[in-house]
Formats: sequence, C-alpha cells, structure tokens
Amino acid sequence: DAKTTQPPSMDCAEGRAANLPCNHSTISGNEYVYWYRQIHSQGPQYIIHGLKNNETNEMASLIITEDRKSSTLILPHATLRDTAVYYCIVRPPGSRLTFGKGITLSVRP
Amino acid sequence: DTGVSQDPRHKITKRGQNVTFRCDPISEHNRLYWYRQTLGQGPEFLTYFQNEAQLEKSRLLSDRFSAERPKGSFSTLEIQRTEQGDSAMYLCASSFDRSNQPQHFGDGTRLSIL
Repeated sequence: DAKTTQPPSMDCAEGRAANLPCNHSTISGNEYVYWYRQIHSQGPQYIIHGLKNNETNEMASLIITEDRKSSTLILPHATLRDTAVYYCIVRPPGSRLTFGKGITLSVRP
Repeated sequence: DTGVSQDPRHKITKRGQNVTFRCDPISEHNRLYWYRQTLGQGPEFLTYFQNEAQLEKSRLLSDRFSAERPKGSFSTLEIQRTEQGDSAMYLCASSFDRSNQPQHFGDGTRLSIL
C-alpha cells in the first residue's frame, strides 16, 4: 500500500503557483520523497526528489517539513501543459516505486 | 532521443494468444523495472533486473508472465495465454544502480485483449 496521502484533485489558474500537498506521516529515516507526474497516455515523468532538505530544479521545488511527515510540490508558474496526475511517493533506497492514486491537477486558463 | 523506449506502443490481441513487449532502457542504466497500470490506478510494480539478474518479482506476476534481460541491455516481457484481465498499460523504467537515483519511464505498451 502507498504510504502517502494526497487529496484527489485541485485546480489553479494559469500563471499562478500550484502547491500540491502530500502527507507521509509514517516515513522512515532513510526513505526519500519522490514526485512524478503523468499526462494522459504517457508514462510517469520524474519531477524531483528529496530526503530532508528542500530541493529545487528547473521543473519545481520540493518543500519537506522539518519532521518529514509532509511535503509540498511547488510549480512556480503553472501552465496548461502542467495539467496531469501528480504522484507523491515515499521510497526506501533502491527499492520499487509504490504509486497511490495521485492528485489530479487541472490548470485553468 | 536517449530516453526509455518501448515497443510496440499498442497491441491488440485475442484472448488466449501470447504477446511479447520490448523495453530499451537508457544506455547507462543497469536497473530495469516493469510496471502495470490499469485505468484510473497508479502503476503497480511487476519485476526488476539489475544487469541481467532478475532480483524481485511481485505476486502480481503470475506463471503466465515471464521477463528476461539477456546481456543486461534490453528486456522483454512475455504474457502467455492472455486473459481479459491482462488488458493494461505495461510500463518500463530504468535507473542507475545507486540507492536514491530516480527511475525514468517509457511511454508504455497498451495491451487490449479482445
């Protein structure tokens, strides 16, 4: 079973920041938080991952709380192409990915 | 394009037939994973290889399923005597052999059983 909890859906306006929450209250000390997204009919696309420090790359920022029990993925300027299902995954080092149902982000014009 | 490549993209077959899918991972990656995704669900793990060795198999991988990765490069997933319930998207992913390295996915093979 997935070790994360995400709301089923959210929307945001194009050009605004999209903040996608994820709860992982049972995360272990060596488990990383990964975010993937999946656009219809495509495979999951890796976005970002982190252990305990906040991370940023060209796609997004990942904010992990100090107790590591929750995190937020931030898309700073959402576009229509960011409409997708976003998966938050907690993963022990070197193991499989266990996907939940994810959160459906709808970006409106 | 140096991403993960899967072939074919779509496969339609009659129940009871055998099907085989191919995955070409990113060339430097020595880990290769297979997942299955049904409509409305997230992908589910099936099996993974480190080089040519198959190190883990999910209980979802029934006796009708077999995966190989000869020479540690491309991989094939074969389903024998297909059933209606095998209809799904079959996804392949690859990664470096380091503990926190992300897996990168192909666009999958969509299997439809008539």
